[in-house]
Amino acid sequence: GQQLNQSPQSMFIQEGEDVSMNCTSSSIFNTWLWYKQDPGEGPVLLIALYKAGELTSNGRLTAQFGITRKDSFLNISASIPSDVGIYFCAGRRGTSGSRLTFGEGTQLTVNP
Amino acid sequence: DVKVTQSSRYLVKRTGEKVFLECVQDMDHENMFWYRQDPGLGLRLIYFSYDVKMKEKGDIPEGYSVSREKKERFSLILESASTNQTSMYLCASSKSVLLAGGDNEQFFGPGTRLTVL
Repeated sequence: GQQLNQSPQSMFIQEGEDVSMNCTSSSIFNTWLWYKQDPGEGPVLLIALYKAGELTSNGRLTAQFGITRKDSFLNISASIPSDVGIYFCAGRRGTSGSRLTFGEGTQLTVNP
Repeated sequence: DVKVTQSSRYLVKRTGEKVFLECVQDMDHENMFWYRQDPGLGLRLIYFSYDVKMKEKGDIPEGYSVSREKKERFSLILESASTNQTSMYLCASSKSVLLAGGDNEQFFGPGTRLTVL
């Protein structure tokens, strides 16, 4: 199965900085999702995007569904220590509920 | 809240052993999934199931099998564990293939970290 290309692989930032990460694919997706995984836990859904061009916010998080349907980005503003974790993008080509393709993950470290 | 539970958080097995990883969800979800997570590779789908007694291969099914005898339970089986199956295993579930929206996306369990010696 095709992997999504997620970048950067890791980020080391200071508390208060803004963060940006993105996912790209050579194929079109109908849905883009962003998950966060805290250390020792399973991933938790942060934002779901269902329409090309859609821009959605969840608190300090903002994500966009690329207009070409082949990419998505996630921004975190004013980072705090609890933002530490691994962020995954995921895309779906088919109907609702069908299988997802995940990116490789972005490991975020926030220094207080 | 949806709850997806996995039978063990940590497991250590020996090469050649038969290993069972159990996953249970309590929200009557139709779909269940098994992934493995390895550094730099993200989550890779092993098997999934859309209904009781139904299973479909994911991207990396070799060396694994699954069982779904009841709607709420999805088991991953390593017939003869090998060291390259040392990994974090994540189970997920979702409501239905027919529904759209954030509450129909996959919910994950806490994971089982399996070490094969």
